[in-house]
Amino acid sequence: QQQVKQSPQSLIVQKGGISIINCAYENTAFDYFPWYQQFPGKGPALLIAIRPDVSEKKEGRFTISFNKSAKQFSLHIMDSQPGDSATYFCAASTGQGAQKLVFGQGTRLTINP
Amino acid sequence: NAGVTQTPKFQVLKTGQSMTLQCAQDMNHEYMSWYRQDPGMGLRLIHYSVGAGITDQGEVPNGYNVSRSTTEDFPLRLLSAAPSQTSVYFCASSYAGGRSTEAFFGQGTRLTVV
Repeated sequence: QQQVKQSPQSLIVQKGGISIINCAYENTAFDYFPWYQQFPGKGPALLIAIRPDVSEKKEGRFTISFNKSAKQFSLHIMDSQPGDSATYFCAASTGQGAQKLVFGQGTRLTINP
Repeated sequence: NAGVTQTPKFQVLKTGQSMTLQCAQDMNHEYMSWYRQDPGMGLRLIHYSVGAGITDQGEVPNGYNVSRSTTEDFPLRLLSAAPSQTSVYFCASSYAGGRSTEAFFGQGTRLTVV
């Protein structure tokens, strides 16, 4: 049973547009929510992360929005660029930071030039 | 700085063969883990270790063994490979504790079992 559900499975966005990827979770004990970016042939790399004491975190063009009551969080990529084309994974963990991460299914993002 | 190094990058096994996937990190991280990545399923935790001599099972441990004799190394053993173990395997490391904020991943081992 997937504890973290991610959608959509694939996404195509025009250059300069906004990319939005959504995740939902059931376990209210989750307290750390990172997003990882993976390029073909590479391992995942941390992009941005949030803890449930804030509703939004922004780093450059990347923003996490977090809705604790709905048990949902999302990644927004503003001014999307072809170099953002990658697979994105949301994840969650319970009291252990970057340890024992539970991942979503992944979203393959393609930015058309 | 090498980070997390996995070997080999690619491997083809016959059903029933055994092999060891190697993982080494040079960041003095206490915590190391193995994940497998399958299409449409994300990454799933196989085994993890919070320090030398301490290991525990993750979500999908069956068919895999691990040991941790040093801080740097965390090998994953397949004792009798099965086609269901065809996957991409990632090793990760991080500092231990609830405030660790980043898991560092290796580049992966693509394993095919025929």
